[in-house]
Amino acid sequence: QKEVEQNSGPLSVPEGAIASLNCTYSDRGSQSFFWYRQYSGKSPELIMSIYSNGDKEDGRFTAQLNKASQYVSLLIRDSQPSDSATYLCAVNNFNKFYFGSGTKLNVKP
Amino acid sequence: SAVISQKPSRDICQRGTSLTIQCQVDSQVTMMFWYRQQPGQSLTLIATANQGSEATYESGFVIDKFPISRPNLTFSTLTVSNMSPEDSSIYLCSATLTGGGLQPQHFGDGTRLSIL
Repeated sequence: QKEVEQNSGPLSVPEGAIASLNCTYSDRGSQSFFWYRQYSGKSPELIMSIYSNGDKEDGRFTAQLNKASQYVSLLIRDSQPSDSATYLCAVNNFNKFYFGSGTKLNVKP
Repeated sequence: SAVISQKPSRDICQRGTSLTIQCQVDSQVTMMFWYRQQPGQSLTLIATANQGSEATYESGFVIDKFPISRPNLTFSTLTVSNMSPEDSSIYLCSATLTGGGLQPQHFGDGTRLSIL
């Protein structure tokens, strides 16, 4: 079992729709959770951090954390073609990091 | 956030040679890491660079092939030794900043390496 699991996709959504990206993790001791965006040929870019149960909103992005279910999600509202990228979920348990394999998102104009 | 400078950004090398990649962070750093990423694949952790001591390598990676230095808190190097075409990949440096054990990693722009 992998430490962090993501559906590889691709996830295709029309422009203006909500994109929902999901991630599950196996270590119940995980303390912090992150979403990265990676454009093709570029390095991962941190877009959201979440540390406690519930929702955290930043612009068009909302991260959701449910530690009981060991589940993290990222919602992207009003999806734009420029959001087309691979989204990596990462978890941290006191400096032991685990990255998921990423979900490829395609936003169609 | 932090600015992580990595160089070279790309190189084309001959089989059997070695290349050293440099990583410099502009902020106070706790941990530094080196990753490899094949095209279309996810990140693979090579090692954690430890200041003033030997790096901690992941399974499948050895010091003779990937020697790593970290002489101070904000600088590290990764050498890819005796390169073969299988070493063609993107190599990424990352770092976590001071501020507790729950900080995210920030990545450099990567080094795109091609071996002929």
